[in-house]
Amino acid sequence: AQSVTQLGSHVSVSEGALVLLRCNYSSSVPPYLFWYVQYPNQGLQLLLKYTSAATLVKGINGFEAEFKKSETSFHLTKPSAHMSDAAEYFCAVSHTGGFKTIFGAGTRLFVKA
Amino acid sequence: ETGVTQSPTHLIKTRGQQVTLRCSSQSGHNTVSWYQQALGQGPQFIFQYYREEENGRGNFPPRFSGLQFPNYSSELNVNALELDDSALYLCASSFDRGFQETQYFGPGTRLLVL
Repeated sequence: AQSVTQLGSHVSVSEGALVLLRCNYSSSVPPYLFWYVQYPNQGLQLLLKYTSAATLVKGINGFEAEFKKSETSFHLTKPSAHMSDAAEYFCAVSHTGGFKTIFGAGTRLFVKA
Repeated sequence: ETGVTQSPTHLIKTRGQQVTLRCSSQSGHNTVSWYQQALGQGPQFIFQYYREEENGRGNFPPRFSGLQFPNYSSELNVNALELDDSALYLCASSFDRGFQETQYFGPGTRLLVL
């Protein structure tokens, strides 16, 4: 069975600091991994996805994530946080032959001025 | 903006009533998935429709049902509403039903059951 664990329900960083949001997955088959962002009162927007090509995936708004099979991780990073990055971030997994996407519980990112 | 629209934006119902939520998919997309997002949680998969047929279902009771129309718009129907059905309901359309497809989410319908 697939599952996603996001470590830390809340993360707070200063503007300009590194953003690191952690995601670990469990999947019995090669996974496909996604990061979504949700701004208040809005739907989810895809930041990036891993589909077994390059292990380092670059997304929108300066975010990137690295797939590490040995650690079953897909952590999201951004070198320098901006106030506009404050939002809820969701890691998600799907797999070959599956039809549904499993989401983590989310991490709320706060950015301090 | 993703091109996926949902209506209504907010809805208040009482326990036991029925509700229909609507979703208009992005142009060219033949697959739609519905999710329930309770407060403070990640979206939970309800079901997926592909070319007007149910393509898979999550762990939700039969009182949650859906339809997809020839123009690929869709509905989510919930009968016998319970208090725990209060949540944000999201639909997401994709170009095809593959596991790797990018899903484009609508803004959601926030349902409150009293």
